[in-house]
Amino acid sequence: KAGVTQTPRYLIKTRGQQVTLSCSPISGHRSVSWYQQTPGQGLQFLFEYFSETQRNKGNFPGRFSGRQFSNSRSEMNVSTLELGDSALYLCASSPRDRGTHGYTFGSGTRLTVV
Amino acid sequence: GEDVEQSLFLSVREGDSSVINCTYTDSSSTYLYWYKQEPGAGLQLLTYIFSNMDMKQDQRLTVLLNKKDKHLSLRIADTQTGDSAIYFCAEVDRRGSTLGRLYFGRGTQLTVWP
Repeated sequence: KAGVTQTPRYLIKTRGQQVTLSCSPISGHRSVSWYQQTPGQGLQFLFEYFSETQRNKGNFPGRFSGRQFSNSRSEMNVSTLELGDSALYLCASSPRDRGTHGYTFGSGTRLTVV
Repeated sequence: GEDVEQSLFLSVREGDSSVINCTYTDSSSTYLYWYKQEPGAGLQLLTYIFSNMDMKQDQRLTVLLNKKDKHLSLRIADTQTGDSAIYFCAEVDRRGSTLGRLYFGRGTQLTVWP
């Protein structure tokens, strides 16, 4: 059974650009969450989607957005990149709504903003 | 559900037991998780415990939960060099609109010496 797949694994962008990250959940999982991991702030919740609806949003500026498709795949977008957006972005999927049966994480996308 | 505390570092000798401690704040948490992160990788779910349990054992892993003190511990028996990693404690937010969000500790860096 394939795990959570995140693409790309590594990304280098310039300040002011925008970026789109992709996450394919485990087959049959309908809940997808996104987290940002930085040395300074640790792991912080970005948002959660279930059946194409955003259920939950963390305390991030509006430059961070996401969506979920009918096949449960999810994308997150960051516009007008800042140096502080450099981080490991982790996606997690769960079989049920609101992760009530635990989350499986992908390997992440490491974004570097220069 | 926003204040999960862990000690940052733990060093043990190969073959000894490791105990990683965590305190959490959300008394309504129903699931508490332990995740492992190796360098350059995502988060691997090690084990979890439901809040109506005091203890859970899974091969070399033992989780103890003291709900009164909101204290969670992970014991790794016969620690091996391959156990060297960062270990995260996480609780699930069970409140209303933020239901399902995971709150993570800062992680404990476990170093195992041969």
